[in-house]
Amino acid sequence: GAVVSQHPSRVICKSGTSVKIECRSLDFQATTMFWYRQFPKQSLMLMATSNEGSKATYEQGVEKDKFLINHASLTLSTLTVTSAHPEDSSFYICSANRGYEQYFGPGTRLTVT
Amino acid sequence: TQLLEQSPQFLSIQEGENLTVYCNSSSVFSSLQWYRQEPGEGPVLLVTVVTGGEVKKLKRLTFQFGDARKDSSLHITAAQPGDTGLYLCAGTPLSGSARQLTFGSGTQLTVLP
Repeated sequence: GAVVSQHPSRVICKSGTSVKIECRSLDFQATTMFWYRQFPKQSLMLMATSNEGSKATYEQGVEKDKFLINHASLTLSTLTVTSAHPEDSSFYICSANRGYEQYFGPGTRLTVT
Repeated sequence: TQLLEQSPQFLSIQEGENLTVYCNSSSVFSSLQWYRQEPGEGPVLLVTVVTGGEVKKLKRLTFQFGDARKDSSLHITAAQPGDTGLYLCAGTPLSGSARQLTFGSGTQLTVLP
C-alpha cells in the first residue's frame, strides 16, 4: 500500500513556542493532504485540507492563524502549531489521497507543557 | 449529528467469539473504507468497498456494503487478541468533496485471551 510518513513522531514543547509537523507521501504524489486531530479512544477530527500550491481549507472552529498549513510540493505538507498551549496537546495525523483511497501517516504525539 | 453512525462504540469479547460492527448513515456514499488503528499509530486501511451489495473477505474479516450504499458492516470470525484495536469506518459522501473522508465515531474492540 501507499506510504505516508510523519515527522516527528513525538514532540514535547513549552507553552508559547511553535512546533512544525511534516507529512510526506513517500511513493506517490498528493495534490491534497488532510490534517486530523485525535483525542484518546475517539475518532479522527478533520482540521483542514491542504492543497498543493494554494491555501488550505479549514474546518469550522479551527483557527487558521494558529494551525498554519503549507503544502509546498506534491509530496510534502507541514502543519505548524503556533504559540502552543497545553490544550493543543493531542495526536495529530495526516493523510493523503491515492485515487479514492486515503492513506494515513503514523501520527505525531504533541505534548505542550 | 454524526453523518456516519458506528456501533457498538465499545466491544469486549473472548478469544474465539464472532462479532459484527455496523456503520450506518442516511446519506449515500460513493465509497466506504474500513480502518484499524492501534494506540499511538495512524489508521491502517483494511478495505475499500465501492459497489452496492459488495462483499469482501480478508481472512477472518468480512466486509459488506449495503445495497443502497448507505451502510456497511464488518464481521470478524473467531476473534483473536491481535484483532484488538479501534475500528473506523469512513466514507466519501456522494454529495461532498470527492477527496474528503467522513469518519464514523469508531468501535474500540478488545479481544481477551
